[in-house]
Amino acid sequence: GAGVSQTPSNKVTEKGKYVELRCDPISGHTALYWYRQSLGQGPEFLIYFQGTGAADDSGLPNDRFFAVRPEGSVSTLKIQRTERGDSAVYLCASSPEGDYQPQHFGDGTRLSIL
Amino acid sequence: GIQVEQSPPDLILQEGANSTLRCNFSDSVNNLQWFHQNPWGQLINLFYIPSGTKQNGRLSATTVATERYSLLYISSSQTTDSGVYFCAVCETSGSRLTFGEGTQLTVNP
Repeated sequence: GAGVSQTPSNKVTEKGKYVELRCDPISGHTALYWYRQSLGQGPEFLIYFQGTGAADDSGLPNDRFFAVRPEGSVSTLKIQRTERGDSAVYLCASSPEGDYQPQHFGDGTRLSIL
Repeated sequence: GIQVEQSPPDLILQEGANSTLRCNFSDSVNNLQWFHQNPWGQLINLFYIPSGTKQNGRLSATTVATERYSLLYISSSQTTDSGVYFCAVCETSGSRLTFGEGTQLTVNP
């Protein structure tokens, strides 16, 4: 079956621009997570959705970052007024309903801010 | 928050050698996963192993939850095993994964 799908795979934009990154989770998975991975480091948590609501957004670095999941499936991570420090790989993961389920990751979006 | 330490940070092997990677964590967990990040950046699930032992081909993993560590064993290594191996854990009170810094494995032919 299809895995977690992320688009675009690469995004290059100028400092100050607005970007949207999309995540399509595995069908039927109720939990969705966003992580960010900088070069040479492990992924770091950004936000977690259970259904349509953000159950934990404590990892978002500042108010320029926002994410939505309006119908409980596809999610969009939105970054306003991008800065060079936002350059990273943004990873999305999903997991099935139920406690203590493994997370399955997409291939990520490589974001480069010039 | 929970701390995750992986060792060694770097490992260079000849093809055919065996290796053991270690993950220590600082608190009780409800989820522990091992991942392989290949040179193209893809995170591949290896094991979901909050406790006990599992085997999949040349790879096996053991988690001793009471002593807060997990081990990943790679036997008869191949060049395609090269990449970064991450351990990630989820605290019993939460849902997010906290990753270690990874072990960079290079297998030479």
